[in-house]
Amino acid sequence: GAVVSQHPSRVICKSGTSVKIECRSLDFQATTMFWYRQFPKKSLMLMATSNEGSKATYEQGVEKDKFLINHASLTLSTLTVTSAHPEDSSFYICSAPALAMETQYFGPGTRLLVL
Amino acid sequence: QKEVEQDPGPLSVPEGAIVSLNCTYSNSAFQYFMWYRQYSRKGPELLMYTYSSGNKEDGRFTAQVDKSSKYISLFIRDSQPSDSATYLCAMHLTGANSKLTFGKGITLSVRP
Repeated sequence: GAVVSQHPSRVICKSGTSVKIECRSLDFQATTMFWYRQFPKKSLMLMATSNEGSKATYEQGVEKDKFLINHASLTLSTLTVTSAHPEDSSFYICSAPALAMETQYFGPGTRLLVL
Repeated sequence: QKEVEQDPGPLSVPEGAIVSLNCTYSNSAFQYFMWYRQYSRKGPELLMYTYSSGNKEDGRFTAQVDKSSKYISLFIRDSQPSDSATYLCAMHLTGANSKLTFGKGITLSVRP
């Protein structure tokens, strides 16, 4: 199946700093990518849809100035958590659709811990 | 009523058992149906996807979709301890670029 990578896999940062997470589709192009957040023992919560060449679409309740998304190319989307606080600590996962297969592939996730 | 309901679990079975995981949905417009497996601290891994009613088999896994009843299932034959994970059903409307709607997930434990 298609491969989606994320970097870094885990990050620890101090409160008030910004953290950038990269999502790459390795063997296919994706005009759209999705960013999720997952709390322990919970299902995935969609945060935003990243669109190549245009602004991201954010889900209700997600602060777009807090979670900056940039879809720089057909294989790369980035999520920047700005001025991170301990409540931003979570597991962040991206996905990319493989159009030929009408489904989505997920990255391995990034675990963020804000101290 | 939530759009997708999934049996809550957790589920514990002995090795070799047949496992049945189920989801129901309310939106008849859903066209594409997926099952993902997620190990602890990992991203979801696509197991099966289908878009038509009926059965689709891949090794020990069978995905079943009944659009008339708005019901999907994943069967695991000869379950192994390595199958212990959380299983998420997911579906979407019009194509791969549309948002996925997930079930809550069920945690399966296969006892050796």
